[in-house]
Amino acid sequence: NAGVTQTPKFQVLKTGQSMTLQCAQDMNHEYMSWYRQDPGMGLRLIHYSVGAGITDQGEVPNGYNVSRSTTEDFPLRLLSAAPSQTSVYFCASSYSVSVNSPLHFGNGTRLTVT
Amino acid sequence: ELKVEQNPLFLSMQEGKNYTIYCNYSTTSDRLYWYRQDPGKSLESLFVLLSNGAVKQEGRLMASLDTKARLSTLHITAAVHDLSATYFCAVDSQETSGSRLTFGEGTQLTVNP
Repeated sequence: NAGVTQTPKFQVLKTGQSMTLQCAQDMNHEYMSWYRQDPGMGLRLIHYSVGAGITDQGEVPNGYNVSRSTTEDFPLRLLSAAPSQTSVYFCASSYSVSVNSPLHFGNGTRLTVT
Repeated sequence: ELKVEQNPLFLSMQEGKNYTIYCNYSTTSDRLYWYRQDPGKSLESLFVLLSNGAVKQEGRLMASLDTKARLSTLHITAAVHDLSATYFCAVDSQETSGSRLTFGEGTQLTVNP
């Protein structure tokens, strides 16, 4: 059972480049989300999805897009990378928002924008 | 806007000692989560607290929730080096019903021999 799988683990981008961070889960979880982690700021929610075809913005959505075409996948797109997007990105999923289950986190993607 | 504050942010303690990490939050909530993160690693779930007065224990860690005071505590008993990690609390407001967790800044715990 792979759980939540994120790729790549590391990425370096130049300012203005675009890329997609991949996230897949094999637990049939309804809820998926993306967080970014920056020193001294905990984790901040970027976007989330409560099911296939449904997405919504979190606390810091600017500069990022998401889609949820299947239950398993929830990619995060950086439209035009900026140095302020240098961070560690975590994808997380849970069974359902109506059931009080904790988040299962992927191993993270460390992104550097130069 | 929901705010979650942890204190202390940094905690250095000796093996065998007891200590408590505090998590305060700013709005009505009856769901609070504690997570652990080892350096360079992902987060793993420790406790889910779902009601006022809830108490959960696992090994040397015990978590409690007081929804009236908007406070959760994570108590460490007789600390050992393996507990060195960063601990996060996360709160879900009643308005968002589980879809938007807000995390505290984290408490970096170092247990010294």
